[in-house]
Parts: sequence; C-alpha cells; structure tokens
Amino acid sequence: DAGVIQSPRHEVTEMGQEVTLRCKPISGHNSLFWYRQTMMRGLELLIYFNNNVPIDDSGMPEDRFSAKMPNASFSTLKIQPSEPRDSAVYFCASRGRGKETQYFGPGTRLLVL
Amino acid sequence: GENVEQHPSTLSVQEGDSAVIKCTYSDSASNYFPWYKQELGKGPQLIIDIRSNVGEKKDQRIAVTLNKTAKHFSLHITETQPEDSAVYFCAASLNNAGNMLTFGGGTRLMVKP
Repeated sequence: DAGVIQSPRHEVTEMGQEVTLRCKPISGHNSLFWYRQTMMRGLELLIYFNNNVPIDDSGMPEDRFSAKMPNASFSTLKIQPSEPRDSAVYFCASRGRGKETQYFGPGTRLLVL
Repeated sequence: GENVEQHPSTLSVQEGDSAVIKCTYSDSASNYFPWYKQELGKGPQLIIDIRSNVGEKKDQRIAVTLNKTAKHFSLHITETQPEDSAVYFCAASLNNAGNMLTFGGGTRLMVKP
C-alpha cells in the first residue's frame, strides 16, 4: 500500500513568491494533519482536517498560510507571500477513522531565499 | 494545552548497550503516547505506542513504560545496533482533543559500532 505522498520533495523559491505544497493521504484515512519541523521549534502542528473539514488551525502562523482539502484524497498548504523564516520541512500525516496512529509522509523541504 | 518535555536531547551509546529516553507530560487527561523514529531525510515513523490503561509494552528490542501518577513515560532500546541511530520523538494526545499529538523536542541517538 502506498503511504502518504507529498510533493514536491524539495522546493527552493525567492522571498515573496507563492509556494504550494501537496499531500495525498493514505486511502481510506479521514483525518489529515500538516506539520512544520524546524531546528528551533521542533515539530509543530499547523492545521488538522477531519472528513475534509478544518477542525483546528490554531497552529497556522499567520494569514500568509492557508490550507485546503477539496476532497478525501488531496490537500494543499499554500504560503503567499513566502518569507525566509518559512524555510522548514513540512510534513503531512493522515489517520484512519477511529484510530490513533498518524502516518507521516516523507516531507517537503522548503528553502525561501 | 499539553506540554511534552523530552530528555536527553542527544544520547551516544556503544553498540550492544541499552538506551533510555524519557518524556514527561503536563495534562493528566492525556491517554495515548506514541514514539516515532525519524531517519535523516525521512518523515517520522511510529515504532511503538502505549495507552493509559497499560503500564508497559514490548516489541522485540523496544519497550515503553508509562507512569500515569508521575506523568512520565520512557522508551527503552536494548542491544542497540548502528541502524538504531536516528532522532526519536515522544508524543502525547487527548481523546477529547481529536487525538492531536503534542511532540517532545526529540532525542538524537547515536550508536557507535
């Protein structure tokens, strides 16, 4: 079975540009999570969807960040405009219905110059 | 909200020795405690988890113990091997919080051959 799929795996962009990160959760999972990992702050939860509906976005840093889940198979995290301090590894994770275990994707390494 | 502290931040052991990583949590209502292993360039992978109705769980060379009274839990790896070298994260979650995970800061384990 395919795990969580994220694209792109690496992204280098210039400050001010729009960045879109993509995630395909494990088939049949109904919860999806976006995390950001940095050396300074560790693993931080940005937003959590349940059945395609955003449940908790209290971790989203500011209005420059937005996330969508148009269907059960796809989610995006968008940063517009991007800033150097957004440089991090962004992970998507999914979880099955009624389960506790989250399964992480390989991450997108973002560098904003 | 929940706060998870993890110690030590780095741990170096000789191959064959045991390694112990400790975490404390703040919310006594937390009831699910997973441990993740993250290898370089990859996403975190679940290695073992424990629920609050269990005091200890083992899976081959890995064991986790939970002390609900003291609000701490530990990961024990016996007979360490070089491939155990990675960053390990503990986490805690509450059922009534949608099982959102709060992660510890991570422990970089180095197993010297």
